[in-house]
Amino acid sequence: KQEVTQIPAALSVPEGENLVLNCSFTDSAIYNLQWFRQDPGKGLTSLLLIQSSQREQTSGRLNASLDKSSGRSTLYIAASQPGDSATYLCAVKGLGSSGGYQKVTFGTGTKLQVIP
Amino acid sequence: DAGVIQSPRHEVTEMGQEVTLRCKPISGHNSLFWYRQTMMRGLELLIYFNNNVPIDDSGMPEDRFSAKMPNASFSTLKIQPSEPRDSAVYFCASSLKGYSYNQPQHFGDGTRLSIL
Repeated sequence: KQEVTQIPAALSVPEGENLVLNCSFTDSAIYNLQWFRQDPGKGLTSLLLIQSSQREQTSGRLNASLDKSSGRSTLYIAASQPGDSATYLCAVKGLGSSGGYQKVTFGTGTKLQVIP
Repeated sequence: DAGVIQSPRHEVTEMGQEVTLRCKPISGHNSLFWYRQTMMRGLELLIYFNNNVPIDDSGMPEDRFSAKMPNASFSTLKIQPSEPRDSAVYFCASSLKGYSYNQPQHFGDGTRLSIL
């Protein structure tokens, strides 16, 4: 059974700082990994999706990396801003059997606060 | 382009009552997902539809829960009878091309359900 862990559960940084969020998973047989942000009272917004064959994806100030062999992904946020304050979740899609359904497992998230 | 639309945004009802949650996916998306989010268990996939057909309902907690997708633009999640432990935020998400592809999921803002 896939387990996805995000540490720390909460993080507070001053504005302008670069930061890294971590996601660990126990089963390296994955199809892809997706990073989301969730604002209070809102649904999830997809940030980046990394396919299992990729090492990283970039979008603006965000860079996500994937190391399947070690079961880790990181989300790097450059020059953090107060608007980046949210909960960040990673989600791992497993490899199903041939032609089968692939289950997605979510981490519990890291709550980020960027202080002006 | 409109995102995933869920209704109602909030629902408060007494235990034993029937609850119906509604979802309109993004036009053109052919995969739809229902999730439940609680503090204790995080985000859990309840059921997944592809082309209006339920593919995996292994996450549905009990027979009290049922989901339907009568057409490509509408889905319901029903709880009957409801219990206090069903209190959670229920999210609907949709994606393009089906679950086997590297397509990001797009989430609605959720329905916050409170069973008294």
